[in-house]
Amino acid sequence: QKEVEQDPGPLSVPEGAIVSLNCTYSNSAFQYFMWYRQYSRKGPELLMYTYSSGNKEDGRFTAQVDKSSKYISLFIRDSQPSDSATYLCAMSKSGNTPLVFGKGTRLSVIA
Amino acid sequence: DARVTQTPRDKVTEMGQEVTMRCQPILGHNTVFWYRQTMMQGLELLAYFRNRAPLDDSGMPKDRFSAEMPDATLATLKIQPSEPRDSAVYFCASGLGSQTNTGELFFGEGSRLTVL
Repeated sequence: QKEVEQDPGPLSVPEGAIVSLNCTYSNSAFQYFMWYRQYSRKGPELLMYTYSSGNKEDGRFTAQVDKSSKYISLFIRDSQPSDSATYLCAMSKSGNTPLVFGKGTRLSVIA
Repeated sequence: DARVTQTPRDKVTEMGQEVTMRCQPILGHNTVFWYRQTMMQGLELLAYFRNRAPLDDSGMPKDRFSAEMPDATLATLKIQPSEPRDSAVYFCASGLGSQTNTGELFFGEGSRLTVL
């Protein structure tokens, strides 16, 4: 079993839909949780960052962390075709340790 | 506009050939990572350096892969000899590693390697 599990999709939704992306993890020592977005032929870029449990909102994006369930989520409201990308969850024990990534979920938002 | 620069962007080579990938991290970042991305495995950590010292290379096949950081502006990943199973996108990333930092990584655009 990998430390971080993420459904690879692909996920296809109509424009304007609410998208829910999820990851589960096994290592209870993880404290830093991130979502990266990766466009085709590009490197991943940080989208959202959360420390420990709780919610964080940034525009149309909301990140949630439930450490008791070892489950993190990313919600995208009013999805746009420009949101079409691969979304990777990532987590680490501290700012000093490497990020462990999920495999990524490929999202297509259809106009 | 600070960014991680990787070369080459694309490389096609034949089995058995040596491949060298280069990375210029963001100036001031003290930690440099090499990741490999495939459809099957996703992003896998190969090796990383802090202040140019190798901290962990347990993700690399030691017999054919080597990673070095000859100076603060250059990291290299070498494969010799290359094999078809090495075909993947190799990413370099840099960051400010510290206990008080978030650990955010900044990625280059990757080197897409195809070994025939």
